[in-house]
This record gives sequence, structure tokens and C-alpha cells, in this order.
Amino acid sequence: AQSVTQLDSQVPVFEEAPVELRCNYSSSVSVYLFWYVQYPNQGLQLLLKYLSGSTLVKGINGFEAEFNKSQTSFHLRKPSVHISDTAEYFCAVSWPYNTDKLIFGTGTRLQVFP
Amino acid sequence: EAQVTQNPRYLITVTGKKLTVTCSQNMNHEYMSWYRQDPGLGLRQIYYSMNVEVTDKGDVPEGYKVSRKEKRNFPLILESPSPNQTSLYFCASSLRSQNYEQYFGPGTRLTVT
Repeated sequence: AQSVTQLDSQVPVFEEAPVELRCNYSSSVSVYLFWYVQYPNQGLQLLLKYLSGSTLVKGINGFEAEFNKSQTSFHLRKPSVHISDTAEYFCAVSWPYNTDKLIFGTGTRLQVFP
Repeated sequence: EAQVTQNPRYLITVTGKKLTVTCSQNMNHEYMSWYRQDPGLGLRQIYYSMNVEVTDKGDVPEGYKVSRKEKRNFPLILESPSPNQTSLYFCASSLRSQNYEQYFGPGTRLTVT
């Protein structure tokens, strides 16, 4: 069955430090991959997406993610975080043959400390 | 301003009392969806609609109903709410051709006692 796993439920980090949020997926066919961000008391918004092409994807607010097909991963990275990056981050997967379906991971709460 | 609106934002109700959460979008999107968000479980899809009068079940449809009589509106109906439906609910919309890029409403926090 297709699924998305975010192993880290919480990631604490100090301001200006680098961060990596991990995402692994399970699928026997090609996938589309996404990261969404949810700021406190708000809905989700799309951070970045991988549909095809370059495996390194750049998104908003200085975030980037790398698609690794052999490791079935799509980890999110930022070289230097800010307090304002404190939020919950969701990895999600969809499929080229069935874009009606969007499956979310359980989320990773990024807490940035001064 | 392009947006998805939900009402109410907060609701406390009692078991068995029918309620409706409204969702409206002004982007002319064909695709609309309802999710519930629970701690440790992430977002789970309840129902979705690909266009007017076309709806389908998501992963957790039990206890919910939806309708899509107009393109802009997609209300979520709980005929007989139960405490296990206490959750944070999100409505989302997107273009049919790009429904992986969904626009989310601000959420409705529902408590059923």
C-alpha cells in the first residue's frame, strides 16, 4: 500500500542552524511529492513540489528538497532557519495516474529557538 | 483576494445534534476536499468532489455527508455527531488539472461532548 512516513514528530533547532526534515514514501510506481507548511492557527500552504525533472527542488522561504528514488525519500532542508520557520511541516504524495488522491504524512513540528 | 473560507471557525456541540460546516472558494476551482487533522495522524481525507454533483469518499468518510450543488460551495454535514469526531477540519480546493496543489481554508475546530 502507498504511504508516507515522517519519522520525526518534532525537531527542535536553534536559529540560524541548518535543518533537515525527513520524509520517506512507499510506492511501486512513479510519484509526485510535496511539502506543505502549516503555520500556527492557519491552514496548510504548498512549500514545494516535485513532479519530474531535476531531483533538487527549490521552494519558498529558502527551503529545498531532494528526491531520491533509490531511497524513496524526499527530505526537506534549509541551511539557516529563522524563528518564523516555526511551524508544522507535512510531506505528501500523489501519483501521475491518479492525482485525485493526495496522501499526507503525520507531520513534523519544527520548533526554532533563539 | 483568492481564498477558501470556512464557517464556523470554532464549534462546541453535543452528541447527536446535527451540524453543518460550510466551505466556500472564490477561485473557480473544480476540485474540493475535506480533511480532518488529529494529533499523530496527520491529515486524513474525508470526502472530495471533482466537480458539481460529483463526490466520492476519502479515507475516513464514516459519519459524514457532503454535497456539491454549486461549484464554489462544499458543505460538510455531520448528521449525528459523536465525540470521536472531535477534530480540526480543513476544506481545500484546487484546479482539477492540478489538484495536488491544494489551497486550504483556515480550519474549523469542532468539539463534540
